[in-house]
Amino acid sequence: QVQLQESGPRLVKPSQTLSLTCTVSGGSIDIGSYYWSWIRQPAGKGLELVGQIFTSDSTNYNPSLKSRVTISMDTSKNQFSLELSSVTAADTAMYYCASMYSGSYGRRYFDSWGQGTLVTVSS
Amino acid sequence: DIQMTQSSSSVSASVGDRVTITCRASQSISNYLNWYQQKPGKAPKLLIYAASRLQSGVPSRFSGSGSGTDFTLTISSLQPEDFATYFCQQSYSSLPFSFGPGTEVVVK
Repeated sequence: QVQLQESGPRLVKPSQTLSLTCTVSGGSIDIGSYYWSWIRQPAGKGLELVGQIFTSDSTNYNPSLKSRVTISMDTSKNQFSLELSSVTAADTAMYYCASMYSGSYGRRYFDSWGQGTLVTVSS
Repeated sequence: DIQMTQSSSSVSASVGDRVTITCRASQSISNYLNWYQQKPGKAPKLLIYAASRLQSGVPSRFSGSGSGTDFTLTISSLQPEDFATYFCQQSYSSLPFSFGPGTEVVVK
């Protein structure tokens, strides 16, 4: 299994864009069968998939966030990134990057996670 | 969207107890159901995938069952390190691959 590490600003002002990067080690993000994902968790609450990327041309976004989310990848750096625009206090959460394995018989599961980074939206 | 519910937000148990956590989907998801364990301040950890398949390295006291809309995670003999929150997650349809709200296993 790969290791993932999030990085980026931990404080973002309302209406601005949240930007995070996930660095993957121990394996290539170019490998097939994996969707590179962003998942968030507000304090004391449940988990929400923000979106994911398979290749530079293949992304899937949570419909509730789709208008504000962009996920991209840089294979030369073995990284993928999240941008969430027009943030509000409701976007304050722990943000995790994770790998989702997509295998035979439609099996899909998040098998590796970063440690998470807490992003606060506040002026 | 498929909604996931967990029947209890918390379960009280003692070390050695058999613990059962249930999860229900708002529509049939076949066996596209995964279970995760999360400890405070840590990322979730995959325990079970495809409803009943044990992830490599996960102790055999954890097991999963179910199909369709109703699923169960069982801990056969609760250990001190098992006090945590457990989430189910469906991967049947397209995004958002929703998670359940979580069930916390606490000390009785």
